[in-house]
Amino acid sequence: DIQMTQSPSSLSASVGDRVTITCRASQNIGKYLNWYQQKPGKAPRLLIFAASTLQIGVPSRFSGSGSGTDFTFTISSLQPEDFATYYCQQNYRTFGQGTKVDIK
Amino acid sequence: QVQLVESGGGVVQPGRSLRLSCAASGFTFSNFGIHWVRQAPGKGLEWVSIVWFDGSRRYYADSVKGRFTVSRDNSRNTVFLQMNSLRAEDTGVYYCARDSGGDYDSSNNYYSLGSDYWGQGTLVTVSS
Repeated sequence: DIQMTQSPSSLSASVGDRVTITCRASQNIGKYLNWYQQKPGKAPRLLIFAASTLQIGVPSRFSGSGSGTDFTFTISSLQPEDFATYYCQQNYRTFGQGTKVDIK
Repeated sequence: QVQLVESGGGVVQPGRSLRLSCAASGFTFSNFGIHWVRQAPGKGLEWVSIVWFDGSRRYYADSVKGRFTVSRDNSRNTVFLQMNSLRAEDTGVYYCARDSGGDYDSSNNYYSLGSDYWGQGTLVTVSS
C-alpha cells in the first residue's frame, strides 16, 4: 500500500502569511494527488485535484505543485476563513495525517 | 443542487451489524462513483470503500475488507454500506462522497480526480 507522509502536523500562522504544506508518497503516484480543507464539525472540501488544478470556486490564493512522490500545497496570503485542517490524498485512497493551521 | 445525505448511524454493540445509506440528488447519480470515508473522533480521514457508477467494481480498505459491503441502487439514487462484525475502532463519522471522475491507464487501473461533493456525515458508535 502507498503511504502518505504529510508535514507539518500543525502550524501557527498570522493573517497574510504564506503557508506551505508538503506531502510525500512512498512510491510514484504521478499527478494523482488531491488536497482538501476541513473545518471542525464539517465535511471535507476539495480544493485542488491532480496536484495543481484548482477546483471550481476555490480562491486563487490556494495552489498546489509537484508530481511523482513530492507535493506542495500553498496558501499565498492566509485569510481568517482559512484556519482549518488540510489533508492530502493519493488517488482515491490514502489520506495524509492532516495539517492543522491555527492562529498565531 | 448536488446533495448527499447519509443516514443509519447510531450506537451498536461490538460484533453487531449496521447499514448506512447515502441518498443522492441534484445530479445524474448513475454516472458517478461514490466513496465512503470515515473519521474517528479527533482523528484524520480514512478512506473506506468505493463503488463504481454502475456497481461493477467495489474496493475496500484493508481495515474493513471482509466485514463491510458497499452496494448501490441506481433506481433509488442510493448507496449502502453494510457493516458487519463491528469493532470499537470502527467508531466515527461516516461520510459518503461523490467521485468527480478520473483517468484509466492501459491496465484499467483508475486514478481519481478527487471527491467533489460530500454529505454531512453520520455518526457510528461501537460500544458495549
